[in-house]
Amino acid sequence: AQSVAQPEDQVNVAEGNPLTVKCTYSVSGNPYLFWYVQYPNRGLQFLLKYITGDNLVKGSYGFEAEFNKSQTSFHLKKPSALVSDSALYFCAVRDMGGNNRLAFGKGNQVVVIP
Amino acid sequence: NAGVTQTPKFRVLKTGQSMTLLCAQDMNHEYMYWYRQDPGMGLRLIHYSVGEGTTAKGEVPDGYNVSRLKKQNFLLGLESAAPSQTSVYFCASSYSVQNTEAFFGQGTRLTVV
Repeated sequence: AQSVAQPEDQVNVAEGNPLTVKCTYSVSGNPYLFWYVQYPNRGLQFLLKYITGDNLVKGSYGFEAEFNKSQTSFHLKKPSALVSDSALYFCAVRDMGGNNRLAFGKGNQVVVIP
Repeated sequence: NAGVTQTPKFRVLKTGQSMTLLCAQDMNHEYMYWYRQDPGMGLRLIHYSVGEGTTAKGEVPDGYNVSRLKKQNFLLGLESAAPSQTSVYFCASSYSVQNTEAFFGQGTRLTVV
């Protein structure tokens, strides 16, 4: 079954600095990969996805993510973090040839320090 | 366009009581999911459905049942609530193409005392 690992519990970054949130995945076939963001007391909001093609994917609010098949990673990045980016970030994966399940990681709390 | 709507938003149950959480989507999505969110555990899949009349078990199905009698609705039932089921429950839906993203409801905060 597919799975996602987000190794860091919390990421602290100063406002204006680059932000990276790490994600590695495991699937038996080829993956579809997603990033979501959750603000306090809200549901998850979709940020971006990798389907096929270009390894660098651009999404909402200036976020981008890089797919690396050899390292089975899909790290989320933003060149210059804002205080308003402070939230919980989730990586998710579907197995392209699999069982339609959408599996999530445990999430990373991002704190952007003014 | 309401998207994914969960009812109720909050609930407190006594151990042993039963309840049903309702998820409704108005996007004509085939796939629907129920997740629970616990601190440090992320989102764990309880049950999911790939179409009207179908259901399947996820990672943590024990103690829960589901039904998908109508395409737009996905019900999650707790027959005999336990304190371990205290959690925030999220419903999500998506189109049946695997590369499409899921849309989430606002969540139901359930406390079992």
